[in-house]
Amino acid sequence: GESVGLHLPTLSVQEGDNSIINCAYSNSASDYFIWYKQESGKGPQFIIDIRSNMDKRQGQRVTVLLNKTVKHLSLQIAATQPGDSAVYFCAENVGGGADGLTFGKGTHLIIQP
Amino acid sequence: DTAVSQTPKYLVTQMGNDKSIKCEQNLGHDTMYWYKQDSKKFLKIMFSYNNKELIINETVPNRFSPKSPDKAHLNLHINSLELGDSAVYFCASSHTGTVSSGNTIYFGEGSWLTVV
Repeated sequence: GESVGLHLPTLSVQEGDNSIINCAYSNSASDYFIWYKQESGKGPQFIIDIRSNMDKRQGQRVTVLLNKTVKHLSLQIAATQPGDSAVYFCAENVGGGADGLTFGKGTHLIIQP
Repeated sequence: DTAVSQTPKYLVTQMGNDKSIKCEQNLGHDTMYWYKQDSKKFLKIMFSYNNKELIINETVPNRFSPKSPDKAHLNLHINSLELGDSAVYFCASSHTGTVSSGNTIYFGEGSWLTVV
């Protein structure tokens, strides 16, 4: 089965509001997590990442929070803009070589004007 | 300049045909990947490959085969195409070694394959 999943398939927020996208993972051996953004007709784009020895990391308008106790990851986007509309994926890696990433199912973020 | 580029972007073909999707990266990476994204947007790794090791997802049919003429290219060959092969295929690359902060995976724009 999949070790990474999302709580909500679709999230609709008003432009200018903050949004939070959640992700649950089940593999306690995972040591690296990434959030990707996929716009319509394009490939996944790296947004932000976090290692398992951290619980928070901030970027430009985005923050990733990691709670290893409950195996939960979240992506917070501040002051959402129309360009934030996309599908967001969390992904995990358990390390140990060229084994790529395991992706969650994706959350479609819709920004309403 | 596109870091990871794949061609064709769109491909419509009949069942039973053999087709290839090409991928090139100019990031200097030495590990490349193929992912498949189904109609529900689920992304699943098919292969990862560097000059020493090919890792195959055991769920991938042997009709699919990666071919790497050099470390900047990883092409995907598909034989005897089936309706269920219709999907978006993404090429990606990274440096060899543990995927981690500073060594993440970069994706191409995808190739939309439709089998009719």
